This record gives sequence, structure tokens and C-alpha cells, in this order.
Amino acid sequence: KNQVEQSPQSLIILEGKNCTLQCNYTVSPFSNLRWYKQDTGRGPVSLTIMTFSENTKSNGRYTATLDADTKQSSLHITASQLSDSASYICVVSRYGNKLVFGAGTILRVKS
Amino acid sequence: GAVVSQHPSWVICKSGTSVKIECRSLDFQATTMFWYRQFPKQSLMLMATSNEGSKATYEQGVEKDKFLINHASLTLSTLTVTSAHPEDSSFYICSAGGGRTRSYEQYFGPGTRLTVT
Repeated sequence: KNQVEQSPQSLIILEGKNCTLQCNYTVSPFSNLRWYKQDTGRGPVSLTIMTFSENTKSNGRYTATLDADTKQSSLHITASQLSDSASYICVVSRYGNKLVFGAGTILRVKS
Repeated sequence: GAVVSQHPSWVICKSGTSVKIECRSLDFQATTMFWYRQFPKQSLMLMATSNEGSKATYEQGVEKDKFLINHASLTLSTLTVTSAHPEDSSFYICSAGGGRTRSYEQYFGPGTRLTVT
């Protein structure tokens, strides 16, 4: 069964701290893995997209890693800011552009 | 990234009425558009996939007669919720993809909050 599992479900950190979100998937055939940030009441915004051959990709303070062998990915946020408070969704794309969504990790950054 | 807009951003309607939501890709021609529904604290659920000029493909459990999708042009898709009921209240999000240079990407709209009273 094609599934994407994310952990933790929610997370609270202090402003300025780093954090890492996890994503495990059992999706086949694999095309690419994406991380999205979704603010409350808004549509998802793409942070990174990684194909099978990519191990890491950065977008500013966001760094995503992918281990295609173990089918795991992580999103590392450096020097968190209050504006990072959002839901972070791991999405795996199957060939044919069918997306399988994780449930998301709700991150709250507090001062 | 590409820009996808939705209109309206929120709508309140009475039970039994129909509501139309528009999704536009503003800076590229989207051969494929997707419609999602998201309930509070849940992730996005794909409702249907539509290719320009052809009938939409609905996911299992989604009533095609209730959720009418039209993708008449490469920049516009509409979702009409017919005879809306309170249980249809949700956050509806579209995404656009396809085209010559964006075949694998999906760009999401900002979403439409539907409340049925």
C-alpha cells in the first residue's frame, strides 16, 4: 500500500533553535519526494523536490535529505523563526504525477 | 514557482444551493489540474484529476454528479459543488501541472474555504 508517514505529529521549539522532521514512505513506483509548507488557511508551498538520485537539497534555512534505499527523508530547519510556524507536509510522487500525502507535522515556533 | 489563483478565497452558502470555485494558472498553461479537499487537521485528499478538454477522473468515493469539474481551457478549471450540505464544508485546494516545462510539478492554489449553513 502506498503510504507516507511523518513524525513527529507536532513539535514546539524556541525561536532560533534547529529542528528535524522525519518522513518514511512506501510508495512505488517512486518518482520524486517533495516537502511543502502549509500555513493555516493557505495552500501548500513547495520547499524542495528531490528525485531518486538526489541525497540532499537546500532552500535557504531548509535542508531536505533523501535515502532512497531506506525510503526515508528528513527536513531540517535551521535557526527557526516565528514565521516557520506551519504544517510541513511530505509528499511522494508516483510516476503519472499521482501524489501521496503525509499527514504533516505541525510546527510551532515560540519566542 | 508558478502562480495559481483560486476564487473565491472563502464562501458561505445555504444548504441546497450550488457553489462554483475557480482555479486559474496565471503564468503557464496547465494541461492537468487537480482538486483536493482538506478537513481540519488532516492532509489533502485528492478528489479528481482533470485534463484540459476531457472529462475529469474522480477518486473512489467522490461523487462526480455532486462535484462537477470543468477544465475548458489550459488556464482555468472550475469545481461546482451542487446541492451543498453542511458536510461539504471544507477547504478546497486546486493545483495545476503539466505543460511543456512543468510536466512533473504541481503548483497549489491558496485554497477556498467553503462553509455550508
